[in-house]
Amino acid sequence: EPEVTQTPSHQVTQMGQEVILRCVPISNHLYFYWYRQILGQKVEFLVSFYNNEISEKSEIFDDQFSVERPDGSNFTLKIRSTKLEDSAMYFCASRPQATTEAFFGQGTRLTVV
Amino acid sequence: AQKITQTQPGMFVQEKEAVTLDCTYDTSDPSYGLFWYKQPSSGEMIFLIYQGSYDQQNATEGRYSLNFQKARKSANLVISASQLGDSAMYFCAMREGGYGGATNKLIFGTGTLLAVQP
Repeated sequence: EPEVTQTPSHQVTQMGQEVILRCVPISNHLYFYWYRQILGQKVEFLVSFYNNEISEKSEIFDDQFSVERPDGSNFTLKIRSTKLEDSAMYFCASRPQATTEAFFGQGTRLTVV
Repeated sequence: AQKITQTQPGMFVQEKEAVTLDCTYDTSDPSYGLFWYKQPSSGEMIFLIYQGSYDQQNATEGRYSLNFQKARKSANLVISASQLGDSAMYFCAMREGGYGGATNKLIFGTGTLLAVQP
């Protein structure tokens, strides 16, 4: 069964460093999302991406964040200068054009030290 | 204002019994969707069940059913015949707007941690 794949599963980075979280959505999906979940808290929407551009972003998604779909398969989230409060689980999700649920990847646990 | 409210931070249930996890929502959009996801301790988000605002019947998927009460704005998840493997965090989520829209982001509740006891 097709699935959304995220790498790495766990990343530890120094405060102030740049990180890139990678996602391979399901191949025929057209809508892509990043969510994050701070430990013990609810899942929060960061950004949605469709037709090679951001369609919506949340207040969390400030200038430190960016997304790219550099080729036909990858979807990346970049955090330019990480802060301690960026420590969280980051989920990528994708959705076909006309369906109901979004399919989530297994998440990347980011730890900023 | 909270759009999705899950008032039960934790629940216990005996194996083989049924359990109901509560979820209420708030929206002024006539078209919306309600979802339940399961998050085991390993961290992944597993889709369980979906209910559209215009669906006439309550959704069912195997041992999962959604008790949709539109007038009360509630979408409770019922798990029948609980199994030990059902122990996990359960999130209720809502999508506003008809599906196929450019965003259709999900708004999540705070979750309910379910523990199934042998």
